[in-house]
Amino acid sequence: GENVEQHPSTLSVQEGDSAVIKCTYSDSASNYFPWYKQELGKRPQLIIDIRSNVGEKKDQRIAVTLNKTAKHFSLHITETQPEDSAVYFCAALFSYNNNDMRFGAGTRLTVKP
Amino acid sequence: DAGITQSPRHKVTETGTPVTLRCHQTENHRYMYWYRQDPGHGLRLIHYSYGVKDTDKGEVSDGYSVSRSKTEDFLLTLESATSSQTSVYFCAISEYTGEGSPLHFGNGTRLTVT
Repeated sequence: GENVEQHPSTLSVQEGDSAVIKCTYSDSASNYFPWYKQELGKRPQLIIDIRSNVGEKKDQRIAVTLNKTAKHFSLHITETQPEDSAVYFCAALFSYNNNDMRFGAGTRLTVKP
Repeated sequence: DAGITQSPRHKVTETGTPVTLRCHQTENHRYMYWYRQDPGHGLRLIHYSYGVKDTDKGEVSDGYSVSRSKTEDFLLTLESATSSQTSVYFCAISEYTGEGSPLHFGNGTRLTVT
């Protein structure tokens, strides 16, 4: 079936360093790719999203890139801070059903002070 | 925070018993979803609704049913709970569907089936 692969599953960086999380998807017609951040015991919250007609989008320290040819997209966090520590999920909306958002398994990011 | 309330927040039940989880929204959004979250699997869609009395199955719908009699309420029922249904359940809403329509999640219900 359609799926989203996410890597790495865990990531540890020093405060101030950059963090990159990568996802690949299987449906070449997918057109929407959101990223969610989930702090321990909390709900997932949208942090940034990108549509298929855009190659890159930035919001302050967060950026997302999309390579439709290779069917992969990445989350980049610069100047990481301890409060960036959380689990991050990528997702892809599948083209055959606009209600079917498929999620990656998550990346646990730890930012060490 | 999006106006989404899930109840109960925690529940422990025994195998074979029926369980109903409730999602209530105050945003008047048309689309509502139930996801389950398990380690190593991210979030997986169970069922969704695209209007009152309009529902459809998601990726992992076996053993679950849903109902939506009002715009604001979406119920998830486990007819006969099994240990494999121990999970954290999230309700989500969306104003639109398709490209550019993010999901907004509730705070989750932690269900333990013993």
